Amino acid sequence: GESVGLHLPTLSVQEGDNSIINCAYSNSASDYFIWYKQESGKGPQFIIDIRSNMDKRQGQRVTVLLNKTVKHLSLQIAATQPGDSAVYFCAENPYSGGYQKVTFGIGTKLQVIP
Amino acid sequence: DAGVIQSPRHEVTEMGQEVTLRCKPISGHDYLFWYRQTMMRGLELLIYFNNNVPIDDSGMPEDRFSAKMPNASFSTLKIQPSEPRDSAVYFCASSSGRGQPQHFGDGTRLSIL
Repeated sequence: GESVGLHLPTLSVQEGDNSIINCAYSNSASDYFIWYKQESGKGPQFIIDIRSNMDKRQGQRVTVLLNKTVKHLSLQIAATQPGDSAVYFCAENPYSGGYQKVTFGIGTKLQVIP
Repeated sequence: DAGVIQSPRHEVTEMGQEVTLRCKPISGHDYLFWYRQTMMRGLELLIYFNNNVPIDDSGMPEDRFSAKMPNASFSTLKIQPSEPRDSAVYFCASSSGRGQPQHFGDGTRLSIL
C-alpha cells in the first residue's frame, strides 16, 4: 500500500552547483538557530549555528543567513558534492529565560546529481 | 573525542515486552535529550534532563514510557509494555548548555512486532 508520512520538500542540484535550503521559523522569541544534516541511518549532525545578533555566518563551504524581519533562515552550500546528499533540518531555540526546547523543522531532502 | 553513544543500534521485539534503550552523552555535557523520529511525525522531543534531573517530560507519549539518568554519563529510556506503534528511531542527544548545539547519537531503530 501507499506509505503515508511527512512529505519532505526535495531539492535536486547538479554536482558542483551551489545549493540553497530555506527554512521559515515560527517563534519570534527564538534567538539561536542551528542547521543539521542527517544521512540515512545516522543521527542529525551539527553543521552550523547562528545567533540573532548576526545575519550571516560562514563555515567551510556553508553559509547561514538569518532574516529576523520575515523569520527566515537559509543554508547555502557551495560547490555541492555527492556527499552532501542528505536531509537538512533547521532548528530554533529561544535563548532567554532558561533553556527552552529546540524545535526542529520537517527537513529538506537534498539530492545531488552527479 | 567520542560522540554520543547509543545502544543497541537495532532492537526487534514482540509487543508486550519491555524495551530499554541506553545512552552515554558526551563527557561534560549537562543536558541530555531523548527524541523519537518517525515518518509520520518527524523528530519529536520526548524528555530532557539537566544535571541528571528531568526538566520537561511533556513529550513522553504515555505512562508506558519512562526515562532515567542515574549519573552524568548514562541515561535509559524504557518502554513497558511495548506496542507496535512505538516502532521508530529513538535518538539521544547532549549539549553543554543554552545556546549550544545538541549533538546526536546514531539512534536505536526499534521495531515492535
